[in-house]
Amino acid sequence: DAKTTQPTSMDCAEGRAANLPCNHSTISGNEYVYWYRQIHSQGPQYIIHGLKNNETNEMASLIITEDRKSSTLILPHATLRDTAVYYCIVSSGGTSYGKLTFGQGTILTVHP
Amino acid sequence: NAGVTQTPKFQVLKTGQSMTLQCAQDMNHEYMSWYRQDPGMGLRLIHYSVGAGITDQGEVPNGYNVSRSTTEDFPLRLLSAAPSQTSVYFCASSYMILGAAEGGYTFGSGTRLTVV
Repeated sequence: DAKTTQPTSMDCAEGRAANLPCNHSTISGNEYVYWYRQIHSQGPQYIIHGLKNNETNEMASLIITEDRKSSTLILPHATLRDTAVYYCIVSSGGTSYGKLTFGQGTILTVHP
Repeated sequence: NAGVTQTPKFQVLKTGQSMTLQCAQDMNHEYMSWYRQDPGMGLRLIHYSVGAGITDQGEVPNGYNVSRSTTEDFPLRLLSAAPSQTSVYFCASSYMILGAAEGGYTFGSGTRLTVV
């Protein structure tokens, strides 16, 4: 599986956009980029995923660079409830069909 | 839909005891997996399954057994509990389409296990 690198922590003001970067320079052609978050000690929550095109849903947008070596998760209008640990994950196929490998993630703190 | 249901939510075991953590999903998902999360760390994959009768090891399988006799259930067995297995355990499930979890994984709320 390709390894991901994320900043340890980030801050964001409430109401502003939160842009969370992720580096995955060794990603292979059939690997997807997933984003999850974990609020306090709850189970992780799926946010969004993509292969090579930018994606948007009701929660966030995912921007993947053309060379696919990095991506950015955008929360367009962060709220206090978005304070969480955000995980950028690259999935593998083949014999490791669909398994997710979680790293340390980014602690996002949204402040008033 | 209940989603992914994990039982029990909390458990205290003595060293050497065995127990089974239950995980059930009602979404007809092919893929199910077990993770553990230790304080201040990300999730680590224990075992996973891509369908009934098929299981495989993840990153930290030692001390744990799994089986998948039905699509709905994926129990995790601790054979002889050790203090190092004190952790929060999460079960997850998903559909699989073209190598990706369509719609992402659905996680349970976790089982908090303490081994004394």
